[in-house]
This record gives sequence, C-alpha cells and structure tokens, in this order.
Amino acid sequence: NAGVMQNPRHLVRRRGQEARLRCSPMKGHSHVYWYRQLPEEGLKFMVYLQKENIIDESGMPKERFSAEFPKEGPSILRIQQVVRGDSAAYFCASSPQGPGKYGYTFGSGTRLTVV
Amino acid sequence: QKEVEQDPGPLSVPEGAIVSLNCTYSNSAFQYFMWYRQYSRKGPELLMYTYSSGNKEDGRFTAQVDKSSKYISLFIRDSQPSDSATYLCAIRFTGGTSYGKLTFGQGTILTVHP
Repeated sequence: NAGVMQNPRHLVRRRGQEARLRCSPMKGHSHVYWYRQLPEEGLKFMVYLQKENIIDESGMPKERFSAEFPKEGPSILRIQQVVRGDSAAYFCASSPQGPGKYGYTFGSGTRLTVV
Repeated sequence: QKEVEQDPGPLSVPEGAIVSLNCTYSNSAFQYFMWYRQYSRKGPELLMYTYSSGNKEDGRFTAQVDKSSKYISLFIRDSQPSDSATYLCAIRFTGGTSYGKLTFGQGTILTVHP
C-alpha cells in the first residue's frame, strides 16, 4: 500500500502564477482533506472532499483557492495568482469512509515557495 | 482565544525520561482526540486516538483526556532519541457541517538527547 501520495514534493512559483497540487489518496479511500501549515503555525484545515463533492470548504480562502476530487484521478488543490503569503506546506489526508472513530492518514506534503 | 492551545516548547529531555505533552481546548463540543507525531519535512503520523475521558495506553505512549477540564495529555515513557519530533494534538467535532475537520494545536517540539 503506497499510502497517500502527493506531488510535487516541492513547487516554486513566481508571484501571479498558478500552483496545482495533486493528491492521490490511499487505495480504497474516497474521502480527502487538505491542510496548510504555515511557518511557526500548526496545521490549518482547508477543505474536505468526497469524490465529485465538496463536503466542507470552510477553511478555504474566499478567493484564488479551489479544490476538486473528480470521479477519476487525484484530488487537485489549485491556487491562482499566487502571492508570497501562500508559501507553506500543503498536506493532504485521506480516510476510507467519512470521519469515523479514527484519524486520517497524511501524505508527506507539497512545499510551495512563491518567489 | 484559540480553540486548541498547545505549549510549543521546545522541550529537551535526556534519553529514558518521561515526557508529558499537553493541550487545552475551549469548546466542549469536541469529542474525538488525537495525537500526531511529525518528523521534520514529513507529514503527520497518527499516534493515539481516543474519544472518552480517561487513559488509553499503547506501548510507551499513554493518552489522557479530561473532558471536565478540557485538557488532554500524551505521556511518553522511556523516551528515545527516535522520539525527537513535533507532537501535535488534534481534536474533532462529532456533528455539524465541520465534522470532517481536525483542529490542531500549534505543536510541541521535542528533543530526546542520548
């Protein structure tokens, strides 16, 4: 079992460019969660998705950020017109069903640097 | 007031020491309590999970929850240098639209020196 796979591991973007972060959940997992970790801060929830559905996007910034989890393929977190403040580690987690009595399995993250 | 407060440390202990890590939370609607370990440049790894007051033990790790005080703890016995990492508490609601969201503490940086 390959675990939660995130790519790329490192991503450098210039201000104003788009960043696309990909997450392939563990085999058999149909629920995906995205978190952001800023320097000196803890992990902050961004969005919770099921295949083809956004369940909770209460942690997503109102502009420039979007997420999807299509029927086929990985979940994508998209950041348009990146700014320096978007530099952070972005983690994806997955679970087999909804949030049950267990925590989630996290990937190793994508480290986004905006220059 | 933050929903979850965790002393960021850093905490440095000698090998073999007992380590105590703590978090407090403000919302009594939180019902599920977790501890994650995060090594540098890695994703968080689930260590312990509990949803009731009391103690839960797993090897050298014991998770303790006191819902009346809104206080959770993680104890590490016979600490090893390989335990050196950042420890994050995480809490979750049981219902509502945010039932999938984990709220994390800031993380405590632990170093166990030989």
